Amino acid sequence: QVQLKESGPGLVQPSETLSLTCTVSGFSLTSYSVSWVRQPSGKGPEWMGRMWYDGDTAYNSALKSRLSISRDTSKNQVFLKMNSLQTDDTGTYYCTRNWSPWFDYWGQGVMVTVSS
Amino acid sequence: DIQMTQSPASLSASLEEIVTITCQASQDIGNWLAWYQQKPGKSPQLLIYGATSLADGVPSRFSGSRSGTQYSLKISRLQVEDIGIYYCQQASSAPFTFGSGTKLEIK
Repeated sequence: QVQLKESGPGLVQPSETLSLTCTVSGFSLTSYSVSWVRQPSGKGPEWMGRMWYDGDTAYNSALKSRLSISRDTSKNQVFLKMNSLQTDDTGTYYCTRNWSPWFDYWGQGVMVTVSS
Repeated sequence: DIQMTQSPASLSASLEEIVTITCQASQDIGNWLAWYQQKPGKSPQLLIYGATSLADGVPSRFSGSRSGTQYSLKISRLQVEDIGIYYCQQASSAPFTFGSGTKLEIK
């Protein structure tokens, strides 16, 4: 069945770089796109960016200068790197499968706290 | 960016009651609208896509509708398992924005 699982550090120092990995199973990264979505505690989700099935990327303009999304299709993994983290980057980070433009499967999420 | 204004922010309703949540888009998004349900401590789950289509496995008591740039999610007979936070999301143009959520509780 379709599964996505995020992994990465739970605590990041201010101004440092966040690196997260999304490992997928049950579908191919060359057939479906994968997005990263984050959610501050008690707030609505925010779309961060997308790795298209063809290897292209798209980013939220608000984050574009700090964000990079890449993949390794042989390992069924999608990566997120975001630099210059601040306290308002604290939240739960999800990877989601894109079925057309819709987010049809979500990972369990990884809580990231930005604090010294 | 397209703004999605969701109302109400919270809602308390009785079992078997009809519940309606609305979402107003700041510009025309056609039928590029989805609804998600997020249960406490869980990831969001797709309920409705294309404004009116039910996602796989979603009970038929859920339905979506559109009137111009206003979208509605209706639960025809509220059940205990429907508690959670509901979000709308536009898929018309990037960045794909979400509403601020409606917290649904049982009265």
